[in-house]
Amino acid sequence: NAGVTQTPKFRVLKTGQSMTLLCAQDMNHEYMYWYRQDPGMGLRLIHYSVGEGTTAKGEVPDGYNVSRLKKQNFLLGLESAAPSQTSVYFCASSYGVEQYFGPGTRLTVT
Amino acid sequence: QQQVKQSPQSLIVQKGGISIINCAYENTAFDYFPWYQQFPGKGPALLIAIRPDVSEKKEGRFTISFNKSAKQFSLHIMDSQPGDSATYFCAATSGGGADGLTFGKGTHLIIQP
Repeated sequence: NAGVTQTPKFRVLKTGQSMTLLCAQDMNHEYMYWYRQDPGMGLRLIHYSVGEGTTAKGEVPDGYNVSRLKKQNFLLGLESAAPSQTSVYFCASSYGVEQYFGPGTRLTVT
Repeated sequence: QQQVKQSPQSLIVQKGGISIINCAYENTAFDYFPWYQQFPGKGPALLIAIRPDVSEKKEGRFTISFNKSAKQFSLHIMDSQPGDSATYFCAATSGGGADGLTFGKGTHLIIQP
């Protein structure tokens, strides 16, 4: 089992560009999450999903959109990237309280 | 409003010593308190977790102490080793975890040989 995988691993965007981050899990988990990690800030929840076709806002949702069209995939979109979105993005999945994290995507917006 | 406060931000411990990291929470609805360990360039990995119906949980060299009345919990690493050098995050959640985890800001732990 690959667990939780994230694509891409690194990306540099210019202000105003758009992109989609892909998260995939092969553990048949119902719940999936997107977090961002910034120095000295810990991890903050952006959006989450409790099942296929459902999404909900987390602590810092502004500037992001998500979709969960298939149970195993959770997409995070940035429609118009801003320098404040420079961060490391982590996806996680779970069937309950124990969350399994992916390796992260390092995004730089210039 | 920070719901989980973690201290210290950084910690240096000699090999063989005890590392102690503390967290305090505000939301009394929280009912699951995990600790995550993160190495550079990697995603966080669950280390140990506790529920508020017990005051202590031990797994190998790692122990969580939980004080429900004070709304505090701590991670103790006994016989700390250089391989324990990492960033540690406390977290909390409620209601089965569906709504995600609320994390502390992290502690950068260095174990000196």
